[in-house]
Amino acid sequence: SAVISQKPSRDICQRGTSLTIQCQVDSQVTMMFWYRQQPGQSLTLIATANQGSEATYESGFVIDKFPISRPNLTFSTLTVSNMSPEDSSIYLCSVELGAGSAYEQYFGPGTRLTVT
Amino acid sequence: DAKTTQPPSMDCAEGRAANLPCNHSTISGNEYVYWYRQIHSQGPQYIIHGLKNNETNEMASLIITEDRKSSTLILPHATLRDTAVYYCILMGDDYKLSFGAGTTVTVRA
Repeated sequence: SAVISQKPSRDICQRGTSLTIQCQVDSQVTMMFWYRQQPGQSLTLIATANQGSEATYESGFVIDKFPISRPNLTFSTLTVSNMSPEDSSIYLCSVELGAGSAYEQYFGPGTRLTVT
Repeated sequence: DAKTTQPPSMDCAEGRAANLPCNHSTISGNEYVYWYRQIHSQGPQYIIHGLKNNETNEMASLIITEDRKSSTLILPHATLRDTAVYYCILMGDDYKLSFGAGTTVTVRA
């Protein structure tokens, strides 16, 4: 398994500002993922972040709104830019461990963001 | 769109086995069946996964039908702490997890 931490755990932000969320894992991993969970909803994948390459975004998510950094194999950041109340969600990172039949994905505790 | 279908909710009694069904009639040959759960206000927790054989670990058992079009997650002795939303997810070579609505399981004393 992996121990994943996220900072901040929660925040309240004003519209128009930006927030950077950090994700730290206790082992080196190739792939990290960022998800959004809107209130009362399931998780939606935002992007996949591999170290040394640009993040790959899912349909409906763009780099200008959700820039991602992946400077090394244990760390990633997600920025929520120019926030609006619709961005109020829980943002979660996850990491992959193993491969093939042994593949597992582990999630961080999430960052609860409220935009006023 | 999620490629699995699960009942929206189910109740079970503490100490009894909980059987959670999942339909995935369009599953591809290389897709694994993964189960996660999300306890309120926490990140999803990995439970178990399988390709075509039944699997068992310390948390649960996974029964996959021979045609792989459906599966059942079994929690052998449900406790109150097993109350959560359970997600059945198919994962292919892209290693992406696509979460559907899941099944809200409530374990009652």
